[in-house]
Amino acid sequence: AQKVTQAQTEISVVEKEDVTLDCVYETRDTTYYLFWYKQPPSGELVFLIRRNSFDEQNEISGRYSWNFQKSTSSFNFTITASQVVDSAVYFCALSGVGRGSTLGRLYFGRGTQLTVWP
Amino acid sequence: GAGVSQSPSNKVTEKGKDVELRCDPISGHTALYWYRQSLGQGLEFLIYFQGNSAPDKSGLPSDRFSAERTGGSVSTLTIQRTQQEDSAVYLCASSPSGSSYNEQFFGPGTRLTVL
Repeated sequence: AQKVTQAQTEISVVEKEDVTLDCVYETRDTTYYLFWYKQPPSGELVFLIRRNSFDEQNEISGRYSWNFQKSTSSFNFTITASQVVDSAVYFCALSGVGRGSTLGRLYFGRGTQLTVWP
Repeated sequence: GAGVSQSPSNKVTEKGKDVELRCDPISGHTALYWYRQSLGQGLEFLIYFQGNSAPDKSGLPSDRFSAERTGGSVSTLTIQRTQQEDSAVYLCASSPSGSSYNEQFFGPGTRLTVL
């Protein structure tokens, strides 16, 4: 079974603080993909990043960085020098490639509401 | 280019009525997904269409829910005899193919309220 856990329901920070959003996953598939999506107040889910199970390199994109560790089944997301516009709900998701998996089906965590105060 | 569009954006209905929700995917995308987002359940998968293959309906919560995709493009999600627990935001997403590699492009959703 596929499962994604985002233990942090809500996080509040003040602008310019760094913040890390945690994501822990469970899967029996050896090949899988991990995603982060952002859902701003407007409601539309926006894709941020994808990682495949064979690529544990960390990635940095501007103020965003992602730390993927298979040993702890975690795929954490850090925002450096947060801004008010980063306020949104962030979802971690998993898509497996294995027998019985629906191709492309995303298993989402419950999401973390991030609020950045000016 | 145009993204995924959904209509209506909001739907209020009375318990017991049928509703139809529409999704227009990105042109050329062969895979189409429906998800439901509710406070109690988070984001749940409902159904998946890939090209002309039979849809994967494994996420549909009851036989009151059905969906079709005509001509490999527009999809309609139908809920019959709506119940209050059906109140949620229904999200549609499309992707270039059914691969687990592809990111999905989401529409703005239809907020359904069942009174």
